[in-house]
Amino acid sequence: GQNIDQPTEMTATEGAIVQINCTYQTSGFNGLFWYQQHAGEAPTFLSYNVLDGLEEKGRFSSFLSRSKGYSYLLLKELQMKDSASYLCAVKDSNYQLIWGAGTKLIIKP
Amino acid sequence: IAGITQAPTSQILAAGRRMTLRCTQDMRHNAMYWYRQDLGLGLRLIHYSNTAGTTGKGEVPDGYSVSRANTDDFPLTLASAVPSQTSVYFCASSRGGSVTGELFFGEGSRLTVL
Repeated sequence: GQNIDQPTEMTATEGAIVQINCTYQTSGFNGLFWYQQHAGEAPTFLSYNVLDGLEEKGRFSSFLSRSKGYSYLLLKELQMKDSASYLCAVKDSNYQLIWGAGTKLIIKP
Repeated sequence: IAGITQAPTSQILAAGRRMTLRCTQDMRHNAMYWYRQDLGLGLRLIHYSNTAGTTGKGEVPDGYSVSRANTDDFPLTLASAVPSQTSVYFCASSRGGSVTGELFFGEGSRLTVL
């Protein structure tokens, strides 16, 4: 079966750095997405990786290793507004999105 | 403001009743999707439409139907609601030809079936 694994919950301190991991087992690979979802709101697109390596976008970076079936989302200089759930999703060989259950990130002052 | 509009925002429904969740987008996106989100689970695709006039089944289509009469509207109908359909429903769209195919989501419809 197809599977996306990510930690259920993480806690970090304001101003610090946090890394949220995602491992996947899917039938084929056509890209990996990270979305941010604040409580009670819609998911919003953060990043997309299709080739190995690091993609940097301001305070957020996303890394992909296709051979290891692994990605991480790195958040720097954490702010209270970064408290949210972070969803990892992989597009499989049929271009269908397979979603992880999400990682709830709690930021403490 | 461009985007996706869902209605209703929240609804409590008796089991056995028929319910239609409305979804309208003004971005002229070709593809539209309906997902349900349940605690502890990833988003699950119910139905999708790659273009007006066509629809397809997702991962959890049973008990749901959709139509796509035009580009903008993609309603989701529960013919006879059951308690297991209690969930938050998200409508989404994506632009054809986009490199990433990123999804744009509506604000969600919270449905409780009693």
